Amino acid sequence: GAVVSQHPSRVICKSGTSVKIECRSLDFQATTMFWYRQFPKKSLMLMATSNEGSKATYEQGVEKDKFLINHASLTLSTLTVTSAHPEDSSFYICSARTDRLNTEAFFGQGTRLTVV
Amino acid sequence: AQKVTQAQTEISVVEKEDVTLDCVYETRDTTYYLFWYKQPPSGELVFLIRRNSFDEQNEISGRYSWNFQKSTSSFNFTITASQVVDSAVYFCALGSNTNAGKSTFGDGTTLTVKP
Repeated sequence: GAVVSQHPSRVICKSGTSVKIECRSLDFQATTMFWYRQFPKKSLMLMATSNEGSKATYEQGVEKDKFLINHASLTLSTLTVTSAHPEDSSFYICSARTDRLNTEAFFGQGTRLTVV
Repeated sequence: AQKVTQAQTEISVVEKEDVTLDCVYETRDTTYYLFWYKQPPSGELVFLIRRNSFDEQNEISGRYSWNFQKSTSSFNFTITASQVVDSAVYFCALGSNTNAGKSTFGDGTTLTVKP
C-alpha cells in the first residue's frame, strides 16, 4: 500500500507555544488529507478535511484558529496547534487519499503531542 | 448521520482461542465502505480490510476472517487461534461513497491475548 509519513512521532511543547505536525504522502499524490484526533482509550474523531490548494473543511466543534491546516502541495499537509494548552495533548493522525474516486485512505503513524 | 458501534470495549482471551469482534453500523448511504484497522500499543493504524457494501462475500486472510451481513448491518471480525501479537485495539470504520476517505470510527475494542 501507499506510504504516509507523519513527523514528528512525538513532541512535547510548553503551554502557550505552537507546534506543527507534518503529514506527507511518500509515493503518491494526495489530493485530500484528513486529520483525526484520538483521546486516550477513545476513538478517532475527524477534525478536518484538507484539500490541496484550498481551505480546509473543519468538523463541527473544531476551532479553526486553534488548529491551522495547510495543504500547500500534493504531498504535504500540516497541522499547527496554536497556543497549545495541556488539554490539546492528544494523539493526532493524518490520512491521505489519492483522488476523489479512491475509496481508501492511508494513515500516517500518528503524532503524540504532550503539552506541559 | 453515520454511526459505528463496537459494543465490546475489552476482550481478554488466552492464546490459541478464537475471538470475534463485533461491529454494527448505521448509514443512509446505499453505497458505502467498511474497514477494520488494528492499532498496536505503538499507536499507528494498520489497515486490515476494506469491504464494499455491494460485496457481501465473506473473506478470509490467514487467521483473520470477516463476516459481512448487510441484513443486520454488521461486519464482524474473527481471529482464529489468537496469538499474543494480536493484542491491540481494533477499530471498525464506515466510509462514505460520496466523500471517499472520510471515515466514521467505532470506539474500538481492546483485545488482550494472554499467553
